[in-house]
Amino acid sequence: GAGVSQSPSNKVTEKGKDVELRCDPISGHTALYWYRQSLGQGLEFLIYFQGNSAPDKSGLPSDRFSAERTGGSVSTLTIQRTQQEDSAVYLCASSLSTANNEQFFGPGTRLTVL
Amino acid sequence: GIQVEQSPPDLILQEGANSTLRCNFSDSVNNLQWFHQNPWGQLINLFYIPSGTKQNGRLSATTVATERYSLLYISSSQTTDSGVYFCAVRAYGGSQGNLIFGKGTKLSVKP
Repeated sequence: GAGVSQSPSNKVTEKGKDVELRCDPISGHTALYWYRQSLGQGLEFLIYFQGNSAPDKSGLPSDRFSAERTGGSVSTLTIQRTQQEDSAVYLCASSLSTANNEQFFGPGTRLTVL
Repeated sequence: GIQVEQSPPDLILQEGANSTLRCNFSDSVNNLQWFHQNPWGQLINLFYIPSGTKQNGRLSATTVATERYSLLYISSSQTTDSGVYFCAVRAYGGSQGNLIFGKGTKLSVKP
C-alpha cells in the first residue's frame, strides 16, 4: 500500500492475555519504529529496527514486550500477560533509512485491557 | 536526553485567524518534524524541517537550529485545522533513530 498500515485497528483483551499487533511499513523503507501514546505519558518510543541490524529495544517498558521484524518488512509487537496500564494506542512508523529519517506513521492500534 | 517543549499547550481561535506554535529543544538535532493529529488519531506529516523555512499552502514552518527552536505558522485558520500539533526531534549524533515528541499544542478553531 501507499502508507503504513496496522492491524487490528482496535483490540480489547482481558488482563493476563497475550496480544499481537501488526505493522506493515511503506514499501522500500528500511527503518521501522514502534511508539505508544497514552493519556499520561504522551508519545513514547518503544523499539526501532534498521535493516538487518539488531533492534534498539531501549524504549520497551518491561520484558513482557517484544517485537520482531521478518524479512525486513512486516513487524509484530507482542505484549505478554497484558496489564491495564498497557492500554494505549500503539503506533508504527517507517522511514526510508536512518540517514533519510522523515518518519511516516500508521493509523495505530487502540489496545484496551480490561 | 534531549527535551522538547511546545507552547502554548492550548489555543482557541476564531476561523480566519492566524497563529504561531512554538517548539523549543534542548540540544542539536538532525531531524525535526511537525505533525497534525486529527480527531481520529492519525498523525499527519506537515513538515520535515531540521533547518530553514518551508511553506505548504496556509502552513509554513521555520527552524532556527542554532537557537534551538522551530515555529509553525497557520494562516487563515479553518475548523478542519483543529486537533493536536506535535513537534518531534531526533538528537544529532544520537545512536537511536527514534523521535522525541513534545506534549503538543491542542488547537480548537471555532466557526
